[in-house]
Amino acid sequence: SQQGEEDPQALSIQEGENATMNCSYKTSINNLQWYRQNSGRGLVHLILIRSNEREKHSGRLRVTLDTSKKSSSLLITASRAADTASYFCATKPNAGGTSYGKLTFGQGTILTVHP
Amino acid sequence: DTEVTQTPKHLVMGMTNKKSLKCEQHMGHRAMYWYKQKAKKPPELMFVYSYEKLSINESVPSRFSPECPNSSLLNLHLHALQPEDSALYLCASSQRTHSNQPQHFGDGTRLSIL
Repeated sequence: SQQGEEDPQALSIQEGENATMNCSYKTSINNLQWYRQNSGRGLVHLILIRSNEREKHSGRLRVTLDTSKKSSSLLITASRAADTASYFCATKPNAGGTSYGKLTFGQGTILTVHP
Repeated sequence: DTEVTQTPKHLVMGMTNKKSLKCEQHMGHRAMYWYKQKAKKPPELMFVYSYEKLSINESVPSRFSPECPNSSLLNLHLHALQPEDSALYLCASSQRTHSNQPQHFGDGTRLSIL
């Protein structure tokens, strides 16, 4: 079962605007990752944030993690048409359980950036 | 171009056929994964191999049979599939199953069952 829930399910913006996607999860995690998937392609890793980190940046990407609320957000600043894709959060559980080693994906957000 | 190569890119097969999907990586990763993805849905984990041994099987029907002949190769053997098995099948690899390193995905095989 997929433990991650993402919102919005779809987001449509103009080039240059910022895009924010949210992810919630249910169990304790070791880390949370964000992936992008262009239509008809595989997933591309964007950024990983560990459970003891609160914020991380990579280029135009900013990820926050709030373990008390079991939620994360991905912000893409100054969006471009090339950012059009599906974005998935994925959680990796802590050691010790039967799920250890697995990556569980959220439902995803479809982002459309209009030129 | 991705560092994980999957072949074929597309496969159409009848319900009585036997076919195989192939995945290859040369990054020295010791964990490899098979996922199934339906349209507009997230990937669903099927199998995990760690050091060429099957470590996780997510209760996948026996008509799907994985194989890891060596640390660079991962196969998925298909037999007597059902129309609902039509999907994008993604292979991924990572350094170790328990590491904090991300997974690297291939572009998948789009499978259609007639």
